[in-house]
Amino acid sequence: NAGVMQNPRHLVRRRGQEARLRCSPMKGHSHVYWYRQLPEEGLKFMVYLQKENIIDESGMPKERFSAEFPKEGPSILRIQQVVRGDSAAYFCASSPVRQTIPGELFFGEGSRLTVL
Amino acid sequence: AQTVTQSQPEMSVQEAETVTLSCTYDTSESNYYLFWYKQPPSRQMILVIRQEAYKQQNATENRFSVNFQKAAKSFSLKISDSQLGDTAMYFCAFMDSGGGADGLTFGKGTHLIIQP
Repeated sequence: NAGVMQNPRHLVRRRGQEARLRCSPMKGHSHVYWYRQLPEEGLKFMVYLQKENIIDESGMPKERFSAEFPKEGPSILRIQQVVRGDSAAYFCASSPVRQTIPGELFFGEGSRLTVL
Repeated sequence: AQTVTQSQPEMSVQEAETVTLSCTYDTSESNYYLFWYKQPPSRQMILVIRQEAYKQQNATENRFSVNFQKAAKSFSLKISDSQLGDTAMYFCAFMDSGGGADGLTFGKGTHLIIQP
């Protein structure tokens, strides 16, 4: 049973380009969370999605960032017109049902975005 | 909003020693969950131990145990017989009993180094 898969593991972009990060949750999981980890910081919540629904995006910057979790395929975190401050590790976590075991989130290994 | 504070940016102990990592939190909720996550150099987030606030008994998982002081809003992690593989970042995290509209709230982490 494969774990949460994130790709790419490392992504380098120049300022102004777009970054797309993908997350495939564990098999049978229909809930996905995205977190961002800045250097020397803990993880900060960005967005919580179910299939075809954004449940909570209170942690998402108002501009340039968007997320989706389509009926088929991985969840995607999209950052448009990247700036140096977007450089961070982006983690995806999944859970089967949101409140079955609170906090029982399974994390991927993260995608490290570097903006030049 | 909840906050989680880890006041020790870095700790270093000798192999086989016991080490305690501190964590305090602030919340107006009466029921919630607390967690310790480990992030080794591979960067994957691994759940170490979980505590439900309504349970007075401190959680234990093999060499890992917590000292949960609800009135003081303190949740420290004790690692006994520390091993080289315990070297990692350790994050304390909080989730309210509703599953948390924003998932987990993390502290900034403590970098634990186990010396041979």
